[in-house]
Amino acid sequence: GENVEQHPSTLSVQEGDSAVIKCTYSDSASNYFPWYKQELGKRPQLIIDIRSNVGEKKDQRIAVTLNKTAKHFSLHITETQPEDSAVYFCAATPTGKLIFGQGTTLQVKP
Amino acid sequence: DVKVTQSSRYLVKRTGEKVFLECVQDMDHENMFWYRQDPGLGLRLIYFSYDVKMKEKGDIPEGYSVSREKKERFSLILESASTNQTSMYLCASSSGGSAGELFFGEGSRLTVL
Repeated sequence: GENVEQHPSTLSVQEGDSAVIKCTYSDSASNYFPWYKQELGKRPQLIIDIRSNVGEKKDQRIAVTLNKTAKHFSLHITETQPEDSAVYFCAATPTGKLIFGQGTTLQVKP
Repeated sequence: DVKVTQSSRYLVKRTGEKVFLECVQDMDHENMFWYRQDPGLGLRLIYFSYDVKMKEKGDIPEGYSVSREKKERFSLILESASTNQTSMYLCASSSGGSAGELFFGEGSRLTVL
């Protein structure tokens, strides 16, 4: 089955710096790669997703890149702000059931 | 606005008890999921359902069962709770199709003593 590895597990950056979180997946049939953000005490919410026919997608300060050959995808957050502090989860799906990575706790220091 | 409601935010049960976790969604979504969330392990899929009375095992189904008698309701059942089932349980729903946004409930934190 699908396996998703996510790194790093924790990430601390200064406000205004960029943050990058990386994920690798095992099933080459995976075709949908979303990213979820979970603020402390709240439910996970979708922030951006990418499908396998696209290499990069941007939405304001966040972007996701996908390398299907290498089977990895990354989340990039630019000009980080304290409200970006949260746990971020990547996921992949070959069949419609999402398999999540282990999560990255991002801390943005003012 | 999609709403996924989990009936209990916090539960404390004893080893061997039968536990029911209820989840209701109000957006007529076909797909419903149960995940458990543990630090360092992410979100792990327990069971999911693509239709009424249909269920499929996820990655960690052992010790759990589910019921989907109505489209809007998906229940997770722990037949005989054990301490290693102490966790945060998250229900989610999505509309039909091969892949789409998951809408999560607020979670049920279960402690088994």
